[in-house]
Amino acid sequence: NAGVTQTPKFRILKIGQSMTLQCAQDMNHNYMYWYRQDPGMGLKLIYYSVGAGITDKGEVPNGYNVSRSTTEDFPLRLELAAPSQTSVYFCASSYTTYLAKNIQYFGAGTRLSVL
Amino acid sequence: KQEVTQIPAALSVPEGENLVLNCSFTDSAIYNLQWFRQDPGKGLTSLLLIQSSQREQTSGRLNASLDKSSGRSTLYIAASQPGDSATYLCAVTRSNDYKLSFGAGTTVTVRA
Repeated sequence: NAGVTQTPKFRILKIGQSMTLQCAQDMNHNYMYWYRQDPGMGLKLIYYSVGAGITDKGEVPNGYNVSRSTTEDFPLRLELAAPSQTSVYFCASSYTTYLAKNIQYFGAGTRLSVL
Repeated sequence: KQEVTQIPAALSVPEGENLVLNCSFTDSAIYNLQWFRQDPGKGLTSLLLIQSSQREQTSGRLNASLDKSSGRSTLYIAASQPGDSATYLCAVTRSNDYKLSFGAGTTVTVRA
């Protein structure tokens, strides 16, 4: 009954450090997404993937990288952390085809502070 | 570009009162609209999904309506309870892709 699992839950980084936010889903969903949520704002799409080996940029991709080597995992990489990347990060997944765009299921989030 | 707006940003009601949450969107060419609930420090839980061909969806005390032509959706929560206190977000999927555009949410407090 795991769904979408994100690790870590909290992290504090110093400016210039790098880290990887992990995301795994066990629902055999083809689509996966990374969002960030800033205080008082809606979620903004960072990157998404339509299947293993295929990724594309969302609305706010600068400063981030992703990879999708398996159906289950979709890690998000921050190479040189900046204070502007302080946010809550959510991973989501869905089973989506041309004919059916289904509900996205979300992880519990990773709260990141860059100081 | 699709813009999604939720007004008010916050709402406080006494227990038992009915809740009415509003969502408006600028591009009526949508595939579906979803309402999510977010509890503090937690992820999002999907409450209701309305396809563009539907006018409303119901689940228990929740009812969501959709008027595509006017770019509006309303979430009704009947007989509110303190456990309904949370942030409610709406999101639309555009017709030509599968990406969600989110509103900023309405934070609801139900007073016992």
